[in-house]
Order: sequence, then structure tokens, then C-alpha cells
Amino acid sequence: DAKTTQPPSMDCAEGRAANLPCNHSTISGNEYVYWYRQIHSQGPQYIIHGLKNNETNEMASLIITEDRKSSTLILPHATLRDTAVYYCIVRPRMDSSYKLIFGSGTRLLVRP
Amino acid sequence: DADVTQTPRNRITKTGKRIMLECSQTKGHDRMYWYRQDPGLGLRLIYYSFDVKDINKGEISDGYSVSRQAQAKFSLSLESAIPNQTALYFCATSDKDTYGYTFGSGTRLTVV
Repeated sequence: DAKTTQPPSMDCAEGRAANLPCNHSTISGNEYVYWYRQIHSQGPQYIIHGLKNNETNEMASLIITEDRKSSTLILPHATLRDTAVYYCIVRPRMDSSYKLIFGSGTRLLVRP
Repeated sequence: DADVTQTPRNRITKTGKRIMLECSQTKGHDRMYWYRQDPGLGLRLIYYSFDVKDINKGEISDGYSVSRQAQAKFSLSLESAIPNQTALYFCATSDKDTYGYTFGSGTRLTVV
């Protein structure tokens, strides 16, 4: 079973920040938070990951709460091409046998 | 060329037929995976392979088999296709130390 909870859908206006929440209240100390997205039946695409510090890359920012029980993916200036399903996944990075387990994700609609 | 290539992109087959979906990668990764996605749902793991001699069942392996012909090639077979195997199939790769998976573009399979 997926160890994360995400809202089924969200929307935001183009050019605005999109803030996608994820609850992972049972996360353990060696588990990382990963985010992927899937644009209209294409293969999922890696976005970002983090352990406990906030992370930023060219695609997004990841804010993880101090207790690590929840996180937020931020797309700072959403575009229409960011419309996709976003998956939050927790995985123990150092577990070499781990397989990605996808939940239902959040369907983000970016409005013109 | 794509890092992970799946063939065919689309396939319609009849109930009872044997069909093979192929996946090849240029990432040089040891680990390869087959996932299935049904409409509106997340991805479910069918089989995975950590190297040429290591094949493992995932969540939903019944009715499927795989072959790891080389580090770069991982094929999924449906021995006797049935309509509820109609789905979108994704191949993915990962390095043992990677922070992200790379997915192919998918094969849309319809069993009639």
C-alpha cells in the first residue's frame, strides 16, 4: 500500500504557484520523499526528492515539515504544460531492493 | 533516441493470443521494471529485474512472464491475453544508487 495521502485533484491559475500537499505521517527515519508527475498517459517523470531539508531544482521546490509527516511540492509559476497527475512517494533510498509504489496521486489542472 | 524505448506503442490483440512487449534502454542501468496502469489509477508493479540473472514478481504477476535478454533488454509476455489485461504498460529503469527512475513512453494494449 502507498504510504502517502494526497488530495485527488487541485487547480491553479497559470502563472501562479501551485502548492501540492502530501501527508506521510508514518514515514520512518531512513525514508525519502519523492515526487513524480505523469502528463496525460506519458511515462512518469521524476521531479524532486528530499529527506528532511527543503530542496529546490529547476522544476520545483520541496518543503518538508520539521516532523517530516507532510510535505509540499511547489511549482513556482505554473504553466498549462504542468497539468498532470502528481505522485508523492516515500521510499528508503538506501534500500537497494526497493520498488516504487504509486498511489492515486493528485490531478493538477492549470487554468489559463 | 529515448533513454527507455518501448515497442510497440499501441497494440490490439485477440483473447487467447500470446503477445510480447519489448523494452530497451541506453541508460546502462542494471534494474528494470514493468508496470501496468489502468484508467484513472496509479501504476502497479508486474515484474522487476535487478540484473540479468535476477527476476522477481511484483504485485500483479499472474498471467504475465518476463525475459531479461541482456542488461539493456527486458520483455514482458502475456501468455494468453484476456480482456482485463487491457491497460497501459510502462517499462522503467533505475540505477542502484539513483534517486529517480526513468520511464518509457508506454505501450497501450487492447485485448478484444
